Amino acid sequence: DQQVKQNSPSLSVQEGRISILNCDYTNSMFDYFLWYKKYPAEGPTFLISISSIKDKNEDGRFTVFLNKSAKHLSLHIVPSQPGDSAVYFCAARDSGGSNYKLTFGKGTLLTVNP
Amino acid sequence: GAGVSQTPSNKVTEKGKYVELRCDPISGHTALYWYRQSLGQGPEFLIYFQGTGAADDSGLPNDRFFAVRPEGSVSTLKIQRTERGDSAVYLCASSSYGGLAGLWYNEQFFGPGTRLTVL
Repeated sequence: DQQVKQNSPSLSVQEGRISILNCDYTNSMFDYFLWYKKYPAEGPTFLISISSIKDKNEDGRFTVFLNKSAKHLSLHIVPSQPGDSAVYFCAARDSGGSNYKLTFGKGTLLTVNP
Repeated sequence: GAGVSQTPSNKVTEKGKYVELRCDPISGHTALYWYRQSLGQGPEFLIYFQGTGAADDSGLPNDRFFAVRPEGSVSTLKIQRTERGDSAVYLCASSSYGGLAGLWYNEQFFGPGTRLTVL
């Protein structure tokens, strides 16, 4: 039973355009969300996060939006660059006793074409 | 500074053998985590250490899996009587204490992983 779902296994966009990666969750105890980026043969690298008390967090070209009522978050990358091509994982922490634990989605492979 | 390192990067073993996977966290990080990433899946939590003690080992699949962190730094994940289903990338992560912000809101820094293949 997946608590964090990334329903698009892959996404292809043109360089300079916007990339939108989506993530849904089912556990209402989740209160902190993170996006990680992973290149082949490397570990996941932290990208951006958002607390459930906010609905938007921006860092340069990356913006994460949280819709708590819909249990949905999205990562926007604009403008997309070829170096952004990687697997993006959505992850969540819950507010309960095991709030050190990250629950990950299956990831979305983003390809940015020059 | 150095990131999280893991050795070996690749390990091929035969069914039934014993393996050890090593993790060197970022210096000064008191929290250490092991995750397992199977093909086509996201990382799944295995175990969490705070200092030398395993604070939560609820993600270990069965008693063939065991992990230690005797001096509160390097950790070793040990798998006995390996099975083909154990084949995966084993990821280690570490994080620091966040002071007022609290440990749990600090990002976890991941190592490159050990790819384990059980033939």
